[in-house]
Amino acid sequence: NAGVTQTPKFRILKIGQSMTLQCTQDMNHNYMYWYRQDPGMGLKLIYYSVGAGITDKGEVPNGYNVSRSTTEDFPLRLELAAPSQTSVYFCASSYGVNEQFFGPGTRLTVL
Amino acid sequence: GENVEQHPSTLSVQEGDSAVIKCTYSDSASNYFPWYKQELGKRPQLIIDIRSNVGEKKDQRIAVTLNKTAKHFSLHITETQPEDSAVYFCAANSLGGADGLTFGKGTHLIIQP
Repeated sequence: NAGVTQTPKFRILKIGQSMTLQCTQDMNHNYMYWYRQDPGMGLKLIYYSVGAGITDKGEVPNGYNVSRSTTEDFPLRLELAAPSQTSVYFCASSYGVNEQFFGPGTRLTVL
Repeated sequence: GENVEQHPSTLSVQEGDSAVIKCTYSDSASNYFPWYKQELGKRPQLIIDIRSNVGEKKDQRIAVTLNKTAKHFSLHITETQPEDSAVYFCAANSLGGADGLTFGKGTHLIIQP
């Protein structure tokens, strides 16, 4: 099993550009999550999903969108990138309210 | 929503000594409390977790205690080793459900040789 995979590993965006961060898990987990981690801080929940076709906002959803068309994939869309979105983005998955397995992260810089 | 406070932000201990990290939470409905270890540039990895129906859990050199009445939980690492150096995060699930985790700000644990 590859676990949770994320692409790309690194990305530099210009202000106003858009991009999609990809996340895939092969553990057949029903729950998936997107977090962001700013330097020296804990992780903050952006969006989560409890199953295909179901998504909901977390603590910091503004400027982001998600979709969950399959159990495996949970892409995060950034529209009109802003410097405040410079962060490391982690995708995670779990089977119910149990251990969350994290992907390797995407380091995003918006200039 | 849930609010998780974590102390201290930095902890330096001698190799072989014990380390204790403390967290408090605000939502009495939270029922799942994991601890994650994150090495520099890496993803967070679960080291131990506890549910609200248990007061203490131990796994070799690592233990976690939970006081539901006071809404605090602690991580105890005994016989610390150089490889324990990392940032440790406590977390609590939000609204007692599948709402994702609310994390503390982290403790940078430094093991002095």
